[in-house]
Amino acid sequence: DTEVTQTPKHLVMGMTNKKSLKCEQHMGHRAMYWYKQKAKKPPELMFVYSYEKLSINESVPSRFSPECPNSSLLNLHLHALQPEDSALYLCASSPLGTGEETQYFGPGTRLLVL
Amino acid sequence: AQTVTQSQPEMSVQEAETVTLSCTYDTSESDYYLFWYKQPPSRQMILVIRQEAYKQQNATENRFSVNFQKAAKSFSLKISDSQLGDAAMYFCAYSPYSNRDDKIIFGKGTRLHILP
Repeated sequence: DTEVTQTPKHLVMGMTNKKSLKCEQHMGHRAMYWYKQKAKKPPELMFVYSYEKLSINESVPSRFSPECPNSSLLNLHLHALQPEDSALYLCASSPLGTGEETQYFGPGTRLLVL
Repeated sequence: AQTVTQSQPEMSVQEAETVTLSCTYDTSESDYYLFWYKQPPSRQMILVIRQEAYKQQNATENRFSVNFQKAAKSFSLKISDSQLGDAAMYFCAYSPYSNRDDKIIFGKGTRLHILP
């Protein structure tokens, strides 16, 4: 099973709203990732969690706040977003300690900021 | 710094024909992984094929195969007997070989159209 799930599939929010994106995997992977993807572009890495600790933050604005409550779950909290933050947000996971550097992606959350 | 280059922004192929997507990369590492990911209009990023750099044998997954030329730093994807469901954006990607949470470096993608 190589499934990563993400909820919601679609989200529309105003610039003053607070919302959260959720990502879940049950493959025992200990690295989880958040990406932002604009249309016709490759994904851009935002955050990486390794063993539930934030290991990489790609200078993402503080209006994006990641959280990893446990080894299976990854959240992205959104607050005071801008219209340019509208994009597809992808979650991915990969095993650690196995030498297998393969990331498996979820279906994404399509976010529209009005 | 590692880079991945896909020189073909768009390609078209007739259904049932064979098409090859090009990818070159640059790295000073000797051990690494290379990937092809497919992203159909539904937007789910799907792993198509993976190649370990230390393996000389080219990876194959059903109708998908790669031509891995390590010295030339080339990693092309061949799709045989193209099907309408193969229409998608294809991303070539590189990852260093390690047990850490290293970044994947993506190319800019090639959009593949399948003509009926």
